[in-house]
Amino acid sequence: AQTVTQSQPEMSVQEAETVTLSCTYDTSESDYYLFWYKQPPSRQMILVIRQEAYKQQNATENRFSVNFQKAAKSFSLKISDSQLGDAAMYFCAYRDNNNDMRFGAGTRLTVKP
Amino acid sequence: EAQVTQNPRYLITVTGKKLTVTCSQNMNHEYMSWYRQDPGLGLRQIYYSMNVEVTDKGDVPEGYKVSRKEKRNFPLILESPSPNQTSLYFCASSLGTGYTYEQYFGPGTRLTVT
Repeated sequence: AQTVTQSQPEMSVQEAETVTLSCTYDTSESDYYLFWYKQPPSRQMILVIRQEAYKQQNATENRFSVNFQKAAKSFSLKISDSQLGDAAMYFCAYRDNNNDMRFGAGTRLTVKP
Repeated sequence: EAQVTQNPRYLITVTGKKLTVTCSQNMNHEYMSWYRQDPGLGLRQIYYSMNVEVTDKGDVPEGYKVSRKEKRNFPLILESPSPNQTSLYFCASSLGTGYTYEQYFGPGTRLTVT
């Protein structure tokens, strides 16, 4: 079965600095999507960024970018110019055409003023 | 406004008392699913539905039932809740069943079973 691993239960970053959250996954599928979701204290799941496995170019959304290494099955999230509003739980997720959607355990990000 | 709604948002109940958590989406989405979120485990899929009258088990279906009689609704039923079903539950929907379709999540339901 596909698995998603987030090895950092907690991370902290200084406001305006850059932080990278790690994610690795295991799959035998060739076509799939990878996602990063943000969950603030409101508990709402907010899609931050997504990456299609067949695209080599790393996805970017404003201050958020990913480093997708397909061979290594690694999908890290980089947050640049961190803001207080970035403080949240971040989940890495995987989805394939077999309707299999897997989430990592999450990384709690603290932003220090 | 396009959204996924869940009710109730909070529920405290006792062991064995049947309950239903409703989920509704107004985006004409085909695919709907239920997840539970537990500390240290992330979100785990309970059941999903690819269309009306089509449902299938996810990773943790034991103790849960679902039905999909209408496209917009996908209720989660706990026939005899137990304390190990205390969790945060999310309903989600997407336009299609393939991996390319973004899932939209409801606001979550905090369930406590005593």
